[in-house]
Order: sequence, then structure tokens, then C-alpha cells
Amino acid sequence: GAVVSQHPSRVICKSGTSVKIECRSLDFQATTMFWYRQFPKQSLMLMATSNEGSKATYEQGVEKDKFLINHASLTLSTLTVTSAHPEDSSFYICSARVRYRGSLGVDTQYFGPGTRLTVL
Amino acid sequence: AQTVTQSQPEMSVQEAETVTLSCTYDTSENNYYLFWYKQPPSRQMILVIRQEAYKQQNATENRFSVNFQKAAKSFSLKISDSQLGDTAMYFCAFMKPPSGAGSYQLTFGKGTKLSVIP
Repeated sequence: GAVVSQHPSRVICKSGTSVKIECRSLDFQATTMFWYRQFPKQSLMLMATSNEGSKATYEQGVEKDKFLINHASLTLSTLTVTSAHPEDSSFYICSARVRYRGSLGVDTQYFGPGTRLTVL
Repeated sequence: AQTVTQSQPEMSVQEAETVTLSCTYDTSENNYYLFWYKQPPSRQMILVIRQEAYKQQNATENRFSVNFQKAAKSFSLKISDSQLGDTAMYFCAFMKPPSGAGSYQLTFGKGTKLSVIP
């Protein structure tokens, strides 16, 4: 249990284009999902918190208009990088918080496999 | 704000031996969760173990166990009978209790790179 998928795993795009990354919780409902960015050999940096049915909460310094987040259902959140530029190249990871008690453990985040974005 | 410190950037251990990774944190909260995640070369973050602060008993998961010292704000991870598949970056993480701003957010340490040597 507690499987989170991310699609695509890798994407290469031209500067100025938009890229959408999907994050799905496959076997549990996730009221809250999180989006992180990770630079090489560094820790995860939280970008935003995504709550189902409401607007995302962005961390300080993260551009809301560049990184659009939509959490349309209890199992899907999307991150759209708009007008991508080379400096947006990075590894993006999503996580989903387990909503209910049970064998999965309450208040635990499970992570997707990540998306490598390269902007040319 | 919470901070998580992992003072060992890199460690190595012989296969089948035991290794302990250190983690300290700073918080004014009384109730919270602590986690260890591993990130192997595939970069998939994998939950290793979790500890609830109100529980005095140290969490264990097979070869993985923690030494949780609440007063000292210390949360170390012990890996017994190390295996080659344990080679990974290990992150210690703190989660705020479910109320107020920033609830459920994880604060990560900078990580410890563990290499298991055959």
C-alpha cells in the first residue's frame, strides 16, 4: 500500500513552453499533497502544499504564476511549470499525506518517484 | 521554526555490520512526528521508520531501529546487519502536529550519504 505515482518521469522541453507533471495516490486518498524541488546532492525544498478542492499554499520565494498547482481530486494533484526556462531545470518530487488511520499510518507522507525536468 | 540537523554528511559501513546515523532537531512543540527516509540512487524517497513524540518506546522496523531521546531532541537511526541495498542518502525529517500554519509539512535535514562496502 501507499503507492504514489508521478508522470512523466523525465521531460525535456524548449524554453518558453509549459510542462505539466501529474502526481497520483494509487491506493489511498490524499487530502494533502506536497510538491518539492531537489537540486543535485541537496535536500528536498518544499515548494507548495496542495489541498484538495482549495488553492495551494506556496512557500516564500516560489512564484505562484510560474508553478501552477491544481488538486482536483483526492488522488490527483498536478504541477504545471509555465514558460519554463533553463533555471527551472530540476528534479521535482511530489508526496501525498495519508488521510485515514490504519496499517499505512496516519500523518505520513509517501513520495512519488520524481520527475526530471530539463529545459533547453 | 523547526530545524533538523544531520551532522554526518557521509558515512560508510562494512556489509553485515551495524551503523548509527545521527539526527538532532529543534522545536518548541510537544507533540510531533519524526521520520527517517532513504533515497537510493534511483532517487525514490522511501519511508524507513516513523516515531510519534508522545510514544516513549523506540520504533523498530526489522533491521532498522531508532533511539529517540525527546529531552535531548535526538533521533538517531541504527541499521543492523547492513546490506548493499542500504546504500543511499538518508534524510531525517520532522513533522509539525496537525494544527496551525504549516501543518503536516516535513522539515528535512541535509542528509547523510551512507555507503555499504562489500
